[in-house]
Amino acid sequence: GIQVEQSPPDLILQEGANSTLRCNFSDSVNNLQWFHQNPWGQLINLFYIPSGTKQNGRLSATTVATERYSLLYISSSQTTDSGVYFCATPQGQGAQKLVFGQGTRLTINP
Amino acid sequence: DAGVIQSPRHEVTEMGQEVTLRCKPISGHNSLFWYRQTMMRGLELLIYFNNNVPIDDSGMPEDRFSAKMPNASFSTLKIQPSEPRDSAVYFCASSINRWNEQFFGPGTRLTVL
Repeated sequence: GIQVEQSPPDLILQEGANSTLRCNFSDSVNNLQWFHQNPWGQLINLFYIPSGTKQNGRLSATTVATERYSLLYISSSQTTDSGVYFCATPQGQGAQKLVFGQGTRLTINP
Repeated sequence: DAGVIQSPRHEVTEMGQEVTLRCKPISGHNSLFWYRQTMMRGLELLIYFNNNVPIDDSGMPEDRFSAKMPNASFSTLKIQPSEPRDSAVYFCASSINRWNEQFFGPGTRLTVL
């Protein structure tokens, strides 16, 4: 099945800094989601981005399906951005089972 | 919309007891997914339904686990008997159809003593 790898595993930044999180996948994808798991454990949808670039406030995401990666950009980080960021994609063509990466744990210090 | 609703939010039980987790998907969503999150294995799919019919239950770990979806607005995940290794956070998710973006509930944190 498809493999999803995220980097870096941990990231510690000061408030106001910018960051880039990366998601690599081992096969072509037709669906990719980014989630933020907040300190209370809730999984919050950030982007549904099979290809191209999307922006939502301070966050943006780019997926380059042909090169099998996606990037999540966070600008002007705030302490509320802390948590674990996951990317996930279906197991294969026509599949619905989301395969998750191991996540990037982001800590924003005041 | 209220989003995906799960109950209970926390469950503490003793080994051997039956546990039932409940999920109400977003209204109008036809696909429902049960995931489990553990430190060791991360997030993994247990089972999913499309139009109330179980499609893929290959992720269900053992016969002790069962899931039902009697109607479009309700699903249960049952563990009988429960074991300490079942301790995890169980998430329910739904999507408009099996191909679309999945939305997750708040999860049920299960602790089996």
